[in-house]
Amino acid sequence: QSALTQPPSVSGSPGQSVTISCTGTSSDIVTFNRVSWYQQPPGTAPKLIISQVSNRPSGVPDRFSGSKSGFTASLTISGLQAEDEADYYCCLFTSTTSDVVFGGGTKLTVL
Amino acid sequence: QVQLQESGPGLVKPSETLSLTCSVSGASISSYSWNWIRLTAGKGLEWIGRIYITGSTNYNPSLKSRVTMSADTSSNQFSLKLSSVTAADTAIYYCALEGYRAAYTMDVWGRGITVTVS
Repeated sequence: QSALTQPPSVSGSPGQSVTISCTGTSSDIVTFNRVSWYQQPPGTAPKLIISQVSNRPSGVPDRFSGSKSGFTASLTISGLQAEDEADYYCCLFTSTTSDVVFGGGTKLTVL
Repeated sequence: QVQLQESGPGLVKPSETLSLTCSVSGASISSYSWNWIRLTAGKGLEWIGRIYITGSTNYNPSLKSRVTMSADTSSNQFSLKLSSVTAADTAIYYCALEGYRAAYTMDVWGRGITVTVS
């Protein structure tokens, strides 16, 4: 099964930008736009913030953006705010088996 | 507005079967695909499996031998059974709707239910 690797933690000060990487072993990342990102503040359910690599659902601030290059997808949060402190997970829907794989998650700390 | 609500026992004994139900409002389970996902301490989110509108299923290979999912269209609910549980199955279990507004995404999540195996 495909694996997705994220850094365990990142941090930044208010107003700064941070980028969270998500590196996979499956060519699905390269070939298809099936990566999504989820935000999970403590004690709450995950919330979709980026779909299909770079699409922002209605209501998600444009400070959140997604991209990919080769086997790595990335989530960038600009203009950091205290409310952005949360765990962030990338997710891939595989093409051959239709399985779903999550990255290990990244804890964002706003200093 | 689509809403999902998990229900079931919060405590399960080792070797027994964990049974959870997800009640759906605002959408028909005869449409879309419906998933179970869990959050475990130290491992993050783990996809358990999905049930399609056809009633067919596919499961995480690592859990496949212990997982059964089903759907009840008359009550607009779908269910998860996980057999032979151990302490490693202690987690927050979420049900999620796939592909409601965008393909290849978990668009809508329930609030989650904490299940402890002890």
